[in-house]
Amino acid sequence: EAQVTQNPRYLITVTGKKLTVTCSQNMNHEYMSWYRQDPGLGLRQIYYSMNVEVTDKGDVPEGYKVSRKEKRNFPLILESPSPNQTSLYFCASSPDRGRVPEAFFGQGTRLTVV
Amino acid sequence: GQNIDQPTEMTATEGAIVQINCTYQTSGFNGLFWYQQHAGEAPTFLSYNVLDGLEEKGRFSSFLSRSKGYSYLLLKELQMKDSASYLCAPIPGAGSYQLTFGKGTKLSVIP
Repeated sequence: EAQVTQNPRYLITVTGKKLTVTCSQNMNHEYMSWYRQDPGLGLRQIYYSMNVEVTDKGDVPEGYKVSRKEKRNFPLILESPSPNQTSLYFCASSPDRGRVPEAFFGQGTRLTVV
Repeated sequence: GQNIDQPTEMTATEGAIVQINCTYQTSGFNGLFWYQQHAGEAPTFLSYNVLDGLEEKGRFSSFLSRSKGYSYLLLKELQMKDSASYLCAPIPGAGSYQLTFGKGTKLSVIP
């Protein structure tokens, strides 16, 4: 089954404790991205990657890091989480080629930083 | 950058037709998506328009006018399960799949 898998689904952590949210896709997609979603602000892009070892900042990259060492994985790293990073996070992947570059989303990770 | 504008909320009656508008300004254009998102869930793909005109897919249709920077999503025979947010996402530039979403339109379907 074609899917994007994020882990964990729910996470409560404390300020300053490094964490990683994993994202994996099994569709051989070139393009992957991370979004956060907050009430009234919609989905905002954090980082995206056009292919292995190619990443770039989205609209709200501050406080986040990413890496793309393998095509299927695109982890989101919060080196020192703060309460303003409490949010719902989505990973997405899409093909670089093809008639419809549809983005497939993971199930979401609800992060709370206290 | 991109500027995407959609109504924040809409309410419609079960069985009716509703049109959700989206206007956008992008540097370049490579198509436009509509996604549906139920509260707390991941967005799911509804439609993709790259050329002007209407694309029909069952109860859902999407229209695009590139010259006007305008799209709409038309939902027919509304059902209660259509209560969700609808997100407009234009793609800027050829070869770019950097999706930026509008804030979404929250649709409430009432009996």
